[in-house]
Amino acid sequence: SQTIHQWPATLVQPVGSPLSLECTVEGTSNPNLYWYRQAAGRGLQLLFYSVGIGQISSEVPQNLSASRPQDRQFILSSKKLLLSDSGFYLCAWSVLDIQGYTFGSGTRLTVV
Amino acid sequence: AQTVTQSQPEMSVQEAETVTLSCTYDTSESDYYLFWYKQPPSRQMILVIRQEAYKQQNATENRFSVNFQKAAKSFSLKISDSQLGDAAMYFCAYRRRGSGNTGKLIFGQGTTLQVKP
Repeated sequence: SQTIHQWPATLVQPVGSPLSLECTVEGTSNPNLYWYRQAAGRGLQLLFYSVGIGQISSEVPQNLSASRPQDRQFILSSKKLLLSDSGFYLCAWSVLDIQGYTFGSGTRLTVV
Repeated sequence: AQTVTQSQPEMSVQEAETVTLSCTYDTSESDYYLFWYKQPPSRQMILVIRQEAYKQQNATENRFSVNFQKAAKSFSLKISDSQLGDAAMYFCAYRRRGSGNTGKLIFGQGTTLQVKP
């Protein structure tokens, strides 16, 4: 069966520190992968998506970057965190249009 | 560009009653998929129900059903016999069929549902 793992679940980081959030998918090949951010009580903002290894598309200009070093691994990074980077980050994968997305359990990031 | 609108930021329902959450969307496509996702306090996103636009029959999943009005571009979610565990934020989403290798979902802003005991 297909599963998605996202870690860490919670992270508190000081302003100016680096960030690395990881997402891995099991049980499927060549998935489309997505990173979303959600502010408290708000909607979902698509940050990045990837259709293959090394292929990253950015939806909004920001302080973050993404990489896909392996088929089922998607990493969200920052060299220097800003207070505005705080939020809830969700990774998702999809193969078929009809499938919709399957989401990871999310990472709650607080930048202090 | 396609858009999804949920005009009700918050809704409330009495336990065991029925509630309907509204969603409208804008697209020039004729073939697409629509979804409802639930996000409980744990913030895990859970797929509740999906509808294929080329199917006239409304989708149902146990206590959850949709009213899909393609001409009106409306896709409402009905929750019957509401339970305390239904309390969550609900997101409506759209995905163009054959959306190539991007497959992006377009989400509405969400509706927070409160269930009163």
